[in-house]
Amino acid sequence: NAGVTQTPKFQVLKTGQSMTLQCAQDMNHEYMSWYRQDPGMGLRLIHYSVGAGITDQGEVPNGYNVSRSTTEDFPLRLLSAAPSQTSVYFCASSYSGQGAGYTFGSGTRLTVV
Amino acid sequence: GDSVTQMEGPVTLSEEAFLTINCTYTATGYPSLFWYVQYPGEGLQLLLKATKADDKGSNKGFEATYRKETTSFHLEKGSVQVSDSAVYFCALKKAGNQFYFGTGTSLTVIP
Repeated sequence: NAGVTQTPKFQVLKTGQSMTLQCAQDMNHEYMSWYRQDPGMGLRLIHYSVGAGITDQGEVPNGYNVSRSTTEDFPLRLLSAAPSQTSVYFCASSYSGQGAGYTFGSGTRLTVV
Repeated sequence: GDSVTQMEGPVTLSEEAFLTINCTYTATGYPSLFWYVQYPGEGLQLLLKATKADDKGSNKGFEATYRKETTSFHLEKGSVQVSDSAVYFCALKKAGNQFYFGTGTSLTVIP
């Protein structure tokens, strides 16, 4: 099925470990984003990309890196995990154009101990 | 700056009750407006949208009308079902693919 695929669905990390959250979409969307969702905080934008080779910071970028080498993939790297990064992470993609909505992945639930 | 404000939850309704979830926005220009729904353990799904003033978006019995004069996009459904229990997010999108989300409103429908 077409859509946004995130892996893994669940992950437990120890403080200081690094990891990469994978995100892939097969809809040829130009725009991709990473959000984190925390109770009572809604969705907060971490990083986004408007096309291959172009990324930029969102509202809460510290502790995360991204790259966009292809249109399809937009991995999120945690450099040195901290308990404050315990959250649910969502990847989303959309066409450019004002009327185009996001398609979201099913999320990665990350716990840092 | 641009923002979206949703009514605070949680909202609890009996089955077949009428639902309204308020959403107001602040934005320059002419944003598009969206409602997303998130079921437990899942990602957000697009529920409906409207791209210009006075447009009405509708889907699965839900409706919302883009009111520029009141900067609102309230979500309504005439008769809710238990299966509508979820978190609902209002969002706006501006040119340049900038999305702004509300904080979400949790809805629980009891039989």
